[in-house]
Amino acid sequence: EVQLVESGGGLVQPGGSLRLSCAASGFTFSSYEMNWVRQAPGKGLEWVSYTSGSGNVKYYADSVKGRFTISRDNAKNSLYLQMNSLRAEDTAVYYCARTGSGWQNFDYWGQGTLVTVSS
Amino acid sequence: QSVLTQPPSVSGAPGQRVTISCTGSSSNIGAGYDVHWYQQLPGTAPKLLIYGNSNRPSGVPDRFSGSKSGTSASLAITGLQAEDEADYYCQSYDSSLSASWVFGGGTKLTVL
Repeated sequence: EVQLVESGGGLVQPGGSLRLSCAASGFTFSSYEMNWVRQAPGKGLEWVSYTSGSGNVKYYADSVKGRFTISRDNAKNSLYLQMNSLRAEDTAVYYCARTGSGWQNFDYWGQGTLVTVSS
Repeated sequence: QSVLTQPPSVSGAPGQRVTISCTGSSSNIGAGYDVHWYQQLPGTAPKLLIYGNSNRPSGVPDRFSGSKSGTSASLAITGLQAEDEADYYCQSYDSSLSASWVFGGGTKLTVL
């Protein structure tokens, strides 16, 4: 069974940093592209970042480019999101999501971790 | 403002049929990129409902169906049930800027 479990969320002040983690199990992690998708309170879904299976290719939404860094450790079956220079508008539930094989979609999602940016 | 446009809400009585539209542009749906649909039940993570415009993952009832034409797509739900009350999101890929996966703003389905 595919499982994605996020952790690392919490309350952080504007300008601060936070590192999210996603532990994957139930599939060959290194064979799959992975993403972070976020959802602000009461709002819709927003794709944040993508990484290839090897971790060599990375893409970011314009809203986080230059502030967030996606990475992965295939030996540990883990995905990460380093978030720096956090702003109030980054407040959201952050989901780890697997890219569907052969499709540009998200076939499995974690339960999400809440990041709150506030003073 | 979402790249893909969905109605904010739709409603229907149990047993009825409802449709949710998703309108894009020539840089996403109209460029030939597939449309995918997600169901988000209250307080839970999104779940893939339809992929590749009209395909259902294993376990998704055939009451749910998807279609795509031109720059738009639709999700149809027949035989509405109370447990279908949820938020529904369409998603595609957009080539106008750097790599970008895009979503609709979401549609709240209320079962009357």
